[in-house]
Parts: sequence; C-alpha cells; structure tokens
Amino acid sequence: GQNIDQPTEMTATEGAIVQINCTYQTSGFNGLFWYQQHAGEAPTFLSYNVLDGLEEKGRFSSFLSRSKGYSYLLLKELQMKDSASYLCAVMDSNYQLIWGAGTKLIIKP
Amino acid sequence: GAVVSQHPSRVICKSGTSVKIECRSLDFQATTMFWYRQFPKKSLMLMATSNEGSKATYEQGVEKDKFLINHASLTLSTLTVTSAHPEDSSFYICSARDGGGVNEQYFGPGTRLTVT
Repeated sequence: GQNIDQPTEMTATEGAIVQINCTYQTSGFNGLFWYQQHAGEAPTFLSYNVLDGLEEKGRFSSFLSRSKGYSYLLLKELQMKDSASYLCAVMDSNYQLIWGAGTKLIIKP
Repeated sequence: GAVVSQHPSRVICKSGTSVKIECRSLDFQATTMFWYRQFPKKSLMLMATSNEGSKATYEQGVEKDKFLINHASLTLSTLTVTSAHPEDSSFYICSARDGGGVNEQYFGPGTRLTVT
C-alpha cells in the first residue's frame, strides 16, 4: 500500500529552527510537495522537490532523498504566524497526490 | 500565481436537501480538477478526479450518486452533495492542475458544509 508518515505534532520556540520529517512509500514517484494549512483554511503551496537535494526558498527549505523515501521541511527564524499544520504529499505514478496526515506545529514565544 | 475560487465558502443546509459547490480556476485552464474532503485533524481525502468533458473518477468508498461531479469547462467544476445528511458535514476543498503540464495543484479556499 501507499503510506506517508510524518509526526503528529511538534513544538518550537519563536526565532528558532524546526525540521519536520516525512517518509513515504508510494507506487511511483513524480515529486514531493509540502503545504501549509492554517486551521479552517485550504492548504497553500510551500515547495516541490522531484530531484534529490535541498531547495531553499526564504525561511523555508525542503530536502529530498528518493533512495531513502525521505524528505524534510526546514523552517528558520520561526514566527508566531508559522503555527499551522504542515502537510507532506507525494505524487504517485498516476499523478495523484498521496497525503500525509499533517504535522501540527506549535510556536511558543 | 494561479488562483482557484470556491463558492460558497460556508453553507448550512437541512437534511435531505442538495448542495452545489463550485470550483473555478480564475487565470488558467484546468484540465484536471480534484475534490477533497477533510475531517477535523485528518489529512485530505481525495474523493474524485475530474477531467474536462469526461466522467469523474471516484475513489473507492465514495458514492458517485451522492457526490455528483461535473467538469463542464476548463475553468469550472461542480460538486453536488445530494440528499445531504449530518455525516456529510465537512470541509470540502477543490484543487486544479494547470493544463500546461505543471504538476502542482492549486487549491481553492474550501467550503464548510454543515448539515442540520
């Protein structure tokens, strides 16, 4: 079966750095996405990785290792507004997104 | 960036009635649109995939006669929840994939459906 695993909840301090991990097992791979979702809102796109390595975009970076079926989202200089759920999703061989359950990130002052 | 709109954003209806939710891609043509349902504190559950001009492909366990999907044009897909029941209360989110070959899906803002 297809499976995406990510921690249920994480807590971090304002101004710090946090890494949210995601491991996956899917039938085929056409890229891995990270989305941010605030409570009661639709997800918003953060990053897309299809090749191994690190993609940096401002305070957010995303890493992918296809051989390990592993990705992480790195958030730097945390702000209170970063409190949200972070969803990892993998596009399978049918170009459909397989979603993780999301990681709820709590930022404390 | 690409924008997807959904209407209505919130709807309350009585049991037994039908509700239509619209999903529009505002500045791009979406050959494929997806409908998701999200339960509280759960991941998004794909309900169906619709391609313009053809019948929607429903995921296992999703009743096609209850959740009617019509992808009438390259910019519009509708989801109709027929004979709604309280257990249909949920957050329904659509997304659209740019027909230009980009893999990214752009999400609508979601529709909160409450069935009383």
